[in-house]
This record gives sequence, structure tokens and C-alpha cells, in this order.
Amino acid sequence: DAMVIQNPRYQVTQFGKPVTLSCSQTLNHNVMYWYQQKSSQAPKLLFHYYDKDFNNEADTPDNFQSRRPNTSFCFLDIRSPGLGDAAMYLCATSRRDRSDTQYFGPGTRLTVL
Amino acid sequence: AQSVTQPDIHITVSEGASLELRCNYSYGATPYLFWYVQSPGQGLQLLLKYFSGDTLVQGIKGFEAEFKRSQSSFNLRKPSVHWSDAAEYFCAATLEGGSEKLVFGKGTKLTVNP
Repeated sequence: DAMVIQNPRYQVTQFGKPVTLSCSQTLNHNVMYWYQQKSSQAPKLLFHYYDKDFNNEADTPDNFQSRRPNTSFCFLDIRSPGLGDAAMYLCATSRRDRSDTQYFGPGTRLTVL
Repeated sequence: AQSVTQPDIHITVSEGASLELRCNYSYGATPYLFWYVQSPGQGLQLLLKYFSGDTLVQGIKGFEAEFKRSQSSFNLRKPSVHWSDAAEYFCAATLEGGSEKLVFGKGTKLTVNP
């Protein structure tokens, strides 16, 4: 089945230690998104790629970076995680653009010690 | 500013009872509308979507939603709730054309009593 896969499902890191989260998709969608979701809150868009074109949200901290080496993969890099970065990180894809239906992966739960 | 409002933070229903989750939007034009469900520790699963046409939309897991332009609403319904429906439900909206991001409501947590 075509899907959005996130690895790992659970990630524990130390305060200030860089961490990378991975997302892959078999849907062959043009757009890939990264969302941050804190407990009992709605997902918050960090950035998205339209093909290789990177689009950062204005309020996304510089601490968060992303890479998309090919259509299938997208990475979220947190350069120096703080305690406030502990959250669920969701990857999503859509076929055409931001008005198209977004399909979400299962998420990666990040814990910062 | 464009927004999506889910007035109910938490709803509790008994298994077998009917369910309605409310969603209102504030947009200059009719947006595309979505309902997603999130089980604890999981990602978001699309239940249904409305782009245009028939205002009553059928989704997965026995859910349906009705778009009412006059009330700027897109309420989610299910005639008989199952214990496995306990989850968080998010209404979301975006505009045609792709220049606007998907805007989520704050979510409604559904508890189902046996």
C-alpha cells in the first residue's frame, strides 16, 4: 500500500544534541510537509517542500532545518534541541499543492532529556 | 484572519449513541474542508473532505459531514458511535490554488463510555 513512513517512531535525545527525523513516501507526491504537534494542540506547520523548492514558515525557529534529497525522502534536522522542542513531529504529503489533500505519517515522538 | 473553530474541546458519548462534532470556518471564500482523526500516539487519518458539489459528504468508518454555506459550518456526524471511535478529531480548511496553508481547528477529544 502506498503510504507515508516515519522513522523512528520514538526518539530520545539530550538537550543540545542534534537529532534527525526521517520521512519517506511511496505516493510519489510533489509536496512534503513537516508539522510539530505538542500535547493537546493542533499540528503546526514548520515548512514544506514543493519538489525541491523549500518553503519555511515565518515563525519556524532557525533551530529547525530540513532536507529533501529526492522525491521520496525528507528529513527534519533539529540542530540543538531544547526542552520546548519535545513534541510529536508529523510528516505529510500532497500530490499537487497545499490545497490538495494531505496524507500524514504516523509521527515521531521526540523526547528531550 | 482565516480560521477554523471547533467549539467543543471534549465530548463524551455512550457507545451506540449518535455523534455530532461541530466545525465553523471563517474565510473570504468557500474553502476546501477536511476532517481528520488522530488516535493516541498516532498520525492524522483523513476521514473525509469537501471540495465542491454535494454538501453531504460520506467518509470512512461510517462518518459523514454536511457543508452549510449559510452557517459557515462543516459538522461531522456518525449515527452510532463505537468504542474504537474514541480519539481526537480535527477539522481543517484551506483555499483553492495552493497558496494558503492548511489551517486546523484546535481539535475535539471524543470519549466513548461503554
